[in-house]
Amino acid sequence: DQQVKQNSPSLSVQEGRISILNCDYTNSMFDYFLWYKKYPAEGPTFLISISSIKDKNEDGRFTVFLNKSAKHLSLHIVPSQPGDSAVYFCAWRDDNAGNMLTFGGGTRLMVKP
Amino acid sequence: NAGVTQTPKFQVLKTGQSMTLQCAQDMNHNSMYWYRQDPGMGLRLIYYSASEGTTDKGEVPNGYNVSRLNKREFSLRLESAAPSQTSVYFCASSVDGGRNQPQHFGDGTRLSIL
Repeated sequence: DQQVKQNSPSLSVQEGRISILNCDYTNSMFDYFLWYKKYPAEGPTFLISISSIKDKNEDGRFTVFLNKSAKHLSLHIVPSQPGDSAVYFCAWRDDNAGNMLTFGGGTRLMVKP
Repeated sequence: NAGVTQTPKFQVLKTGQSMTLQCAQDMNHNSMYWYRQDPGMGLRLIYYSASEGTTDKGEVPNGYNVSRLNKREFSLRLESAAPSQTSVYFCASSVDGGRNQPQHFGDGTRLSIL
């Protein structure tokens, strides 16, 4: 079974600086990891994904890095903006089980103006 | 721009009562999912439906039943609610199980069981 862990429950960053959110996993076999962003009283929204054959994927201010030897991925947000303040979830997608997602516990990011 | 719609948004039940949470999507997606989120935790999959007419258990199915009524609608039923089922429930959908197809989520149903 794949376990996904986000060991930092919260992170505070100054506006304009880089935010780095981390995620660790246990099983080397996977196809995709995804990052979701969640505001209070709303459902999660998809942010960015990375496949197992890549070590980096970039979309605007958001970049996800994958380190397969360390079983670790990170989401970089540069520059951070106050609107980025939300809870960020890392999730593993099981392509053999109907696209189901296994989520980490989330990291609350606070970007201070 | 409805996307995934969940009803109700809030509900309070007494232990032992039954209830059905409703979910509908207007994106013509094949796959639908029910998750629960408890405080300080990530979302956990309860049941999913890869296509109309099929349902499968997820990580935490005990105490729940589901019905894929048609392609648009996927309901979650609590037959005899228990305080441990107090949670926020999210419904999601995706085009299919294909690669790089993210799930789209509703805004959740907050359920309290006394």
